[in-house]
Amino acid sequence: GAVVSQHPSWVICKSGTSVKIECRSLDFQATTMFWYRQFPKQSLMLMATSNEGSKATYEQGVEKDKFLINHASLTLSTLTVTSAHPEDSSFYICSARDRRGPNTGELFFGEGSRLTVL
Amino acid sequence: KNQVEQSPQSLIILEGKNCTLQCNYTVSPFSNLRWYKQDTGRGPVSLTIMTFSENTKSNGRYTATLDADTKQSSLHITASQLSDSASYICVVSADTGTASKLTFGTGTRLQVTL
Repeated sequence: GAVVSQHPSWVICKSGTSVKIECRSLDFQATTMFWYRQFPKQSLMLMATSNEGSKATYEQGVEKDKFLINHASLTLSTLTVTSAHPEDSSFYICSARDRRGPNTGELFFGEGSRLTVL
Repeated sequence: KNQVEQSPQSLIILEGKNCTLQCNYTVSPFSNLRWYKQDTGRGPVSLTIMTFSENTKSNGRYTATLDADTKQSSLHITASQLSDSASYICVVSADTGTASKLTFGTGTRLQVTL
């Protein structure tokens, strides 16, 4: 099956620093990738939709200057948490859909990246 | 507002027993319903995808049902194993024409014990 890889799987940083998380589709191309945040014992919350070659679409309440998304190629999207604060500590997950399939096709998730801001 | 509600919130069963998880949704226009299994600290893994015309779909010991009239779905796990301990998430897709919009349920946390 298709594989979506995230890196790093966990990261600890100091408050005020920026952290970049990568999401790669390993055996398919994805024009669209999605970024989610998940707090303990809660469901995934969609943060933004990352479109290859264009600006990301952010969900209501998500600061685009805080969470920078870059989708420079069909296999890579990055999420940068800028000036991270302890309240940004969370589990960040990406997902991608094979561009050859329909919008209603299989959605593959990465393994997630756990961010802890001290 | 599109919503997906799952029940129970958590469930503990003995190894070898069966269980059924429920998902009720108010998503329009409905496109498809997905069940995912999410192990703690891992990303979700797809179990089934069901469209409007499908009533039942199986994946090994997992069987999902869909009643599009009542907007309900269930996930039945047969002969549970310790490795089934995870969160099970129901996700409903609304087809908005140019792109699908997903609504996630809060999940059911299943614990299988000896």
